[in-house]
Amino acid sequence: ETGVTQSPTHLIKTRGQQVTLRCSSQSGHNTVSWYQQALGQGPQFIFQYYREEENGRGNFPPRFSGLQFPNYSSELNVNALELDDSALYLCASSFAGGHPISGANVLTFGAGSRLTVL
Amino acid sequence: AQSVTQLDSHVSVSEGTPVLLRCNYSSSYSPSLFWYVQHPNKGLQLLLKYTSAATLVKGINGFEAEFKKSETSFHLTKPSAHMSDAAEYFCVVILSASKIIFGSGTRLSIRP
Repeated sequence: ETGVTQSPTHLIKTRGQQVTLRCSSQSGHNTVSWYQQALGQGPQFIFQYYREEENGRGNFPPRFSGLQFPNYSSELNVNALELDDSALYLCASSFAGGHPISGANVLTFGAGSRLTVL
Repeated sequence: AQSVTQLDSHVSVSEGTPVLLRCNYSSSYSPSLFWYVQHPNKGLQLLLKYTSAATLVKGINGFEAEFKKSETSFHLTKPSAHMSDAAEYFCVVILSASKIIFGSGTRLSIRP
């Protein structure tokens, strides 16, 4: 059983640029969620994808967008990068049995992509 | 409003002594509650979860947590701390697909 893998592990961008982060979900999982973890803080929920559609979103602006592919892998795209976007971005996969809204879903996390915006 | 509060940002205990990491939640109905641990440069790992079954939940590595609805608490405990327990711990509430809330974390240090 493969876990959740994220790429790249580290990257540096400049303000105003765009970035794409990638996530491969754990085998058998059909739901992916993304989180932003600033230094010294807890992860903040960005959004969740189920069956290739966004089905939940936290308090993040539209320049944070995503995709989920038929193989359940996912991308997080951030446009017009700002200095405050510097953070560890975490991806988590889970299995939703027929309905995406279930508090019983266990999230399996990747190790994260650390983004630095200069 | 729904929220999660971890009452201590840092807890330090001696090896072999009990651990208590406190978490309170605010919700208009019974949520699903989780504790995750984050070791440096590693992903978050599930310790245990509560999903309206038994109120005392046992997790991995000797950790357990008790759901107390009357106190809206879900504190994490371990009878005897080990050096390998040093990490950041997060209490998590999942209310729906758009309501996944992490606490601010508690850093656990273990003194030899």
